[in-house]
Amino acid sequence: QSVLTQPPSVSGAPGQTVTISCTGSSSNIGAGYDVNWYQHFPGTAPKLLIKGNTNRPSGVPDRFSGSKSGTSASLAITGLQGEDEADYYCQSYDNSASANWVFGGGTKLTVL
Amino acid sequence: QGQLQQSGPGLVRPSQTLSLTCAISGDSVSTNSASWNWIRQSPSRGLEWLGRIYYRSNWYNNYADSVKSRITINPDTAKNQFSLQLESVTPEDTAVYYCAWVKSTDYDAFDVWGQGTMVTVSS
Repeated sequence: QSVLTQPPSVSGAPGQTVTISCTGSSSNIGAGYDVNWYQHFPGTAPKLLIKGNTNRPSGVPDRFSGSKSGTSASLAITGLQGEDEADYYCQSYDNSASANWVFGGGTKLTVL
Repeated sequence: QGQLQQSGPGLVRPSQTLSLTCAISGDSVSTNSASWNWIRQSPSRGLEWLGRIYYRSNWYNNYADSVKSRITINPDTAKNQFSLQLESVTPEDTAVYYCAWVKSTDYDAFDVWGQGTMVTVSS
């Protein structure tokens, strides 16, 4: 059971916009800790997509954007492309968990 | 940008010690702004942060409670790498293990990841 909750799967057609939610609590996202997002193709190294809630590292397309409000955060992907089909994970810090850096359970994005 | 290259065995016997190494390119393991982490992923536990080391004039570490009694992460300044040792492993420790680099204190994000090592604990 992950500390941060994500939907197991989302889907969208090419060109559409999808949003992936990440729900936490008062000991992590709600406490003001930043949320980071990762893109993961199985068998490869995860890639940092969004850091500090809204910031894209160099090289990440602006089709990817992050937001945060209260105890939740979201990753939006606009202009969906086939190459976006991957697993997406949110991550934050938790001041009560036994492992302070915590992840969501991951969301599988399917491009229809 | 920097890279991390992992090495180590993919099969460990129960009760033995799991040992992995992560070689760093693009920075020094002794840099004052970074931290060096180990994370694992399994179907039952998802992504699980295990621990980290960092240098701030001295070496410090933090470990997850779930493995605190069994884990050691060490720097190797001569080879510019860091290692993971997990003692007394059981089949529950079967997972893909990643090393990960937090580049700065501005954001607590794992900027760079190693390629992952599938470790199976089995006799």
